[in-house]
Amino acid sequence: GENVEQHPSTLSVQEGDSAVIKCTYSDSASNYFPWYKQELGKGPQLIIDIRSNVGEKKDQRIAVTLNKTAKHFSLHITETQPEDSAVYFCAAKSVLVFGKGTRLSVIA
Amino acid sequence: KAGVTQTPRYLIKTRGQQVTLSCSPISGHRSVSWYQQTPGQGLQFLFEYFSETQRNKGNFPGRFSGRQFSNSRSEMNVSTLELGDSALYLCASSLQKGIGRSYEQYFGPGTRLTVT
Repeated sequence: GENVEQHPSTLSVQEGDSAVIKCTYSDSASNYFPWYKQELGKGPQLIIDIRSNVGEKKDQRIAVTLNKTAKHFSLHITETQPEDSAVYFCAAKSVLVFGKGTRLSVIA
Repeated sequence: KAGVTQTPRYLIKTRGQQVTLSCSPISGHRSVSWYQQTPGQGLQFLFEYFSETQRNKGNFPGRFSGRQFSNSRSEMNVSTLELGDSALYLCASSLQKGIGRSYEQYFGPGTRLTVT
């Protein structure tokens, strides 16, 4: 089955800096890669996703890149703000297999 | 459009009891998936229902079961509760119309189950 590895597990950045979270997956048949943001006491919220026929997708300060050959995809957050502080999860495939999560802390 | 709702939000049970959790998907969504979230194991897939049929099942014991009703609402049941079942149980709905096509999943706020 699919296995998703996510790094780093924790990440601290200064406000205004960029944050990058990386995930690798094992099943070359996976074709859908969403990213979720989970704030304390809430369920995961879909923030961006990418399908296997696209290499990059952007939505304002958030971007995701996909390298199918290397089987890894990354989340990029630019100009980070304190409200970006949360746990971020990557996932692969339709029956979602999640990474362990990255706790992002943005220091004002 | 209302989001995914889950009831109850919090639940405390004792070992050996059983529990039923409820999920109402986004209107029009026919696929409902359940996940267990714990600090140690992260988010793990339990099962997925589509049009009242279980389509996929994760690696959990038979004590975990679910069902989906004709209005797409879903319930999951855990029997003979164990301490290790304490977790946040998340439900996600999607528009998914057929097997093999991945659609966005939208999560509810979860039910926090504590087993004492």
